Amino acid sequence: DIVMTQSPDSLAVSLGERATIKCKSSQGLLYTSNNRDYLTWYQQKPGQPPKLLIYWASTRESGVPDRFSGSGSGTDFTLTISSLQAEDVAVYYCQQFYSTPYTFGQGTKLEI
Amino acid sequence: QVQLVQSGAEVKKPGASVRVSCKASGYTFTTYNINWVRQATGQGLEWMGWMNPYSGHTGYAQKFQGRVTITRDTSISTAYMELSSLRSEDTAVYYCARVGRDGYNYGEDYWGQGTLVTVSS
Repeated sequence: DIVMTQSPDSLAVSLGERATIKCKSSQGLLYTSNNRDYLTWYQQKPGQPPKLLIYWASTRESGVPDRFSGSGSGTDFTLTISSLQAEDVAVYYCQQFYSTPYTFGQGTKLEI
Repeated sequence: QVQLVQSGAEVKKPGASVRVSCKASGYTFTTYNINWVRQATGQGLEWMGWMNPYSGHTGYAQKFQGRVTITRDTSISTAYMELSSLRSEDTAVYYCARVGRDGYNYGEDYWGQGTLVTVSS
């Protein structure tokens, strides 16, 4: 199984500041058939199911604010929130969609 | 609008089985895969398995092999996840999720509301 490791486990950022969360996979996630890295980011707020934010490492899901961006390739990926808003307080997960089982990172708790 | 509506909370004894349903609406059920993910209280997300509703083909995480079965009834656009030989460690919220695709699958784009399964003697 592919192991996904996020850092840090928790993060406190001031309103309006940048938040950066990293995700590392134990093997590469690049699908050569479409030249995409199969890395997905989710946001989960208490009592709610996860919400898909970013897929293929850097493609923002429809309706997701543009302050959320994803980058990286191969085995190292980053989720960046450019200017933290109060509603961004949540736990963030990365997931590899390269091969089953589609494993998740352990999560990063983002606080203000 | 796309919706996945799951069945209600369950309380089961150790050794029993549980079946959770997931009714899809707002899209053609047979054209998107369904994944199942669980989350123990205060813990992270754990991927369990997938199903192609058109073909019925399934795949399961090794951890759950032999204990989990994912099925569907296309006539009512509903997927099911059955977990057997329950133990206390299976106490969790179970989610179904649709797998989005843009030519290729890319992630779970719509989620059910979750079903709490409690295993207790």
